[in-house]
Amino acid sequence: RKEVEQDPGPFNVPEGATVAFNCTYSNSASQSFFWYRQDCRKEPKLLMSVYSSGNEDGRFTAQLNRASQYISLLIRDSKLSDSATYLCVVGGFQKLVFGTGTRLLVSP
Amino acid sequence: DAGVTQSPTHLIKTRGQQVTLRCSPKSGHDTVSWYQQALGQGPQFIFQYYEEEERQRGNFPDRFSGHQFPNYSSELNVNALLLGDSALYLCASSFRDRDNEQFFGPGTRLTVL
Repeated sequence: RKEVEQDPGPFNVPEGATVAFNCTYSNSASQSFFWYRQDCRKEPKLLMSVYSSGNEDGRFTAQLNRASQYISLLIRDSKLSDSATYLCVVGGFQKLVFGTGTRLLVSP
Repeated sequence: DAGVTQSPTHLIKTRGQQVTLRCSPKSGHDTVSWYQQALGQGPQFIFQYYEEEERQRGNFPDRFSGHQFPNYSSELNVNALLLGDSALYLCASSFRDRDNEQFFGPGTRLTVL
């Protein structure tokens, strides 16, 4: 079983749609959680950290459920520029563990 | 304030050769981590360096080795290249005390023929 599991997609949505990504992780001792965005052939860039209390940054909302070892990302009012791969990331001891990523395609 | 830089951007090698990739961390950062990202996969942790020593290592063979210099820059060396080593190699830097807050460089794309 992979340490971090995500649906690879792709998710094809029209502009303005709301889309949700989910992720599960296996190591219950994990302490930090993130969503990264990666554009084609570019490096991953931090989108947001994820907390149990939930956090929001504009159109993006992230949630962590420690009991279920489940992380989510909600994107509202999708833009064409949101098209990218979204990586679920769990912070381990001195390293980051990445999921395989979920590809999002937003169309006009 | 320069971010993480890596060189070269692209590299083509043949099986059996050796390669050295270089990374300069973000200004002020003292810790460097290396990741391998194969096509269609998420990045996989190779190892992390702090104070010129390897702190942590992922599940990679000894063909993968590294070094950190006194100025915190780092090198990744891969010996006896295999076709399966073709990937994007990413360097990330951080502060030792916040080593999960990692900033990534643009990567080196290695192709092994």
